[in-house]
Amino acid sequence: EAGVAQSPRYKIIEKRQSVAFWCNPISGHATLYWYQQILGQGPKLLIQFQNNGVVDDSQLPKDRFSAERLKGVDSTLKIQPAKLEDSAVYLCASSLSNEQYFGPGTRLTVT
Amino acid sequence: LAKTTQPISMDSYEGQEVNITCSHNNIATNDYITWYQQFPSQGPRFIIQGYKTKVTNEVASLFIPADRKSSTLSLPRVSLSDTAVYYCLVGFEGFQKLVFGTGTRLLVSP
Repeated sequence: EAGVAQSPRYKIIEKRQSVAFWCNPISGHATLYWYQQILGQGPKLLIQFQNNGVVDDSQLPKDRFSAERLKGVDSTLKIQPAKLEDSAVYLCASSLSNEQYFGPGTRLTVT
Repeated sequence: LAKTTQPISMDSYEGQEVNITCSHNNIATNDYITWYQQFPSQGPRFIIQGYKTKVTNEVASLFIPADRKSSTLSLPRVSLSDTAVYYCLVGFEGFQKLVFGTGTRLLVSP
């Protein structure tokens, strides 16, 4: 089966600019996750969707980050405006039960 | 927020058994522990998951002691290709609060 797809794979922007990431989960997976992974650290959950409803967004910096999952399938994560400390890999994962399948991630560099 | 810690790094040789421990707040009896493997520039890959005392699959075993304040990933006979970073993921509150560990960098030498 096809895995979790993410795009773009790499993005370089200047601080205060906006950026959006896209995720297409594995077909049929109801749960979708966005993680931020700073270099040398473990992934940090930003938001978890169950279908198109939010389960947990307690660690999402809502003043600059937003995410949506239209129709319970694809999802986009947006940062506006970006800060230097947002430089990280943004991972998307999906699951049918508790086993998560991860995409390759989007590496964001904010200069 | 709950903290989940792991040793920063471990060294081993091919063919040896490696045990990586994850320390966390005591978890509920039905809270899951999951272990992932991550190679550079890739997303984490599932290894094993469980909530009971011992779980075994074709590549690893997972042990959770009675006090449930830690868990251990056991890789029976490592090879060079097992060199990677290993993360535990604790699913607190019935998998409603997900916290990844700090990660353990495993280096396997010939």
